[in-house]
Amino acid sequence: DQQVKQNSPSLSVQEGRISILNCDYTNSMFDYFLWYKKYPAEGPTFLISISSIKDKNEDGRFTVFLNKSAKHLSLHIVPSQPGDSAVYFCAAQRNAGNMLTFGGGTRLMVKP
Amino acid sequence: NAGVTQTPKFQVLKTGQSMTLQCAQDMNHEYMSWYRQDPGMGLRLIHYSVGAGITDQGEVPNGYNVSRSTTEDFPLRLLSAAPSQTSVYFCASSLRTASPLSGNTIYFGEGSWLTVV
Repeated sequence: DQQVKQNSPSLSVQEGRISILNCDYTNSMFDYFLWYKKYPAEGPTFLISISSIKDKNEDGRFTVFLNKSAKHLSLHIVPSQPGDSAVYFCAAQRNAGNMLTFGGGTRLMVKP
Repeated sequence: NAGVTQTPKFQVLKTGQSMTLQCAQDMNHEYMSWYRQDPGMGLRLIHYSVGAGITDQGEVPNGYNVSRSTTEDFPLRLLSAAPSQTSVYFCASSLRTASPLSGNTIYFGEGSWLTVV
């Protein structure tokens, strides 16, 4: 059973508009949620994270929202840029350890 | 900055062959781990280590061995390769301490593409 799910395998948006990537989880014991961005033939790179005690964290164009009651989080990218085109992975972590549980990823395509 | 370095980048193996994927990090990170990525399944944890001499199994450990003799290196051994082990392998590392507000940021290598025929 997948503890972290990204139900949209792909998303296409116009440059300058908002991109919203969604993630659901089932394990209420997760303490942190992280978003990673991955380009083809490269490793995942850390984007932004949020603690389970918060409901929002932002860093520049990127904002992550956490709804614990719904076990749902989302990543907002505003404004979207063509360079944002990549696969985005949602991941969950317990106790700030070294293990991540990943979702299946969402491929974002930002059209010029 | 080298970060997390994996070798080889690409490898083709025949069924039954053994090989070792190398991983080294130069950030003095205590934690290291190996993940595999398969289409539509995200990354899954194979083995991890919290320090030299200490290793443990992750979600999908069967068919793989690891050892951690130094802080810097964490090789992954395929004992007898099977077509089901065709995948992209990522090594990762992180510090033991983490921010209480943001968790533990884990850094990944660029990946090793393995095909077993």
